[in-house]
Amino acid sequence: GENVEQHPSTLSVQEGDSAVIKCTYSDSASNYFPWYKQELGKRPQLIIDIRSNVGEKKDQRIAVTLNKTAKHFSLHITETQPEDSAVYFCAATGLIGGKLIFGQGTTLQVKP
Amino acid sequence: DVKVTQSSRYLVKRTGEKVFLECVQDMDHENMFWYRQDPGLGLRLIYFSYDVKMKEKGDIPEGYSVSREKKERFSLILESASTNQTSMYLCASSLLGRRALGNTIYFGEGSWLTVV
Repeated sequence: GENVEQHPSTLSVQEGDSAVIKCTYSDSASNYFPWYKQELGKRPQLIIDIRSNVGEKKDQRIAVTLNKTAKHFSLHITETQPEDSAVYFCAATGLIGGKLIFGQGTTLQVKP
Repeated sequence: DVKVTQSSRYLVKRTGEKVFLECVQDMDHENMFWYRQDPGLGLRLIYFSYDVKMKEKGDIPEGYSVSREKKERFSLILESASTNQTSMYLCASSLLGRRALGNTIYFGEGSWLTVV
């Protein structure tokens, strides 16, 4: 069935270091891959997304890469700051348009 | 700015009670979703709807039902609440997408439900 695997489940880095979170998906027809950030006690919010016709997308300190052949995509955060500490979720579209399948989430801790 | 509003942030209910979680969105979105969030399990889809009076089961529909009588409102119903339904419930909405081509999903603030 439709599935998205996300790793690692927890990640701790020093302020200023880079952080990488990886996801794999099962449905080769998936064409949309968003990343959400959820701060403690708040709703998940979209931080970046990528569609299948693009291999990489960057927005300031965050970037996402997509390898459709291998069916995996990654989130890269450079020059991490304490305010980057949150839970991050990856997702991929499912068989029905609009439906998203989410990964299990990664808790990122940035130590000052 | 898209607004998805969940009417109840924190609820405590007794086992066996019927529970209603209400969600309203103001962006004329076709799609609406109910997710459940539990530590280590991510966001799991309970039900979704792509039109008024339409509903589709998600990954974990057992013990839940939904109602979508108006485009802007999507309700999650626990017919007989059980302790294993203690969780955070997130409502979301998005524009209708073509097969496997999604659009941004916008979430509500979440409803923390405790069943005792």
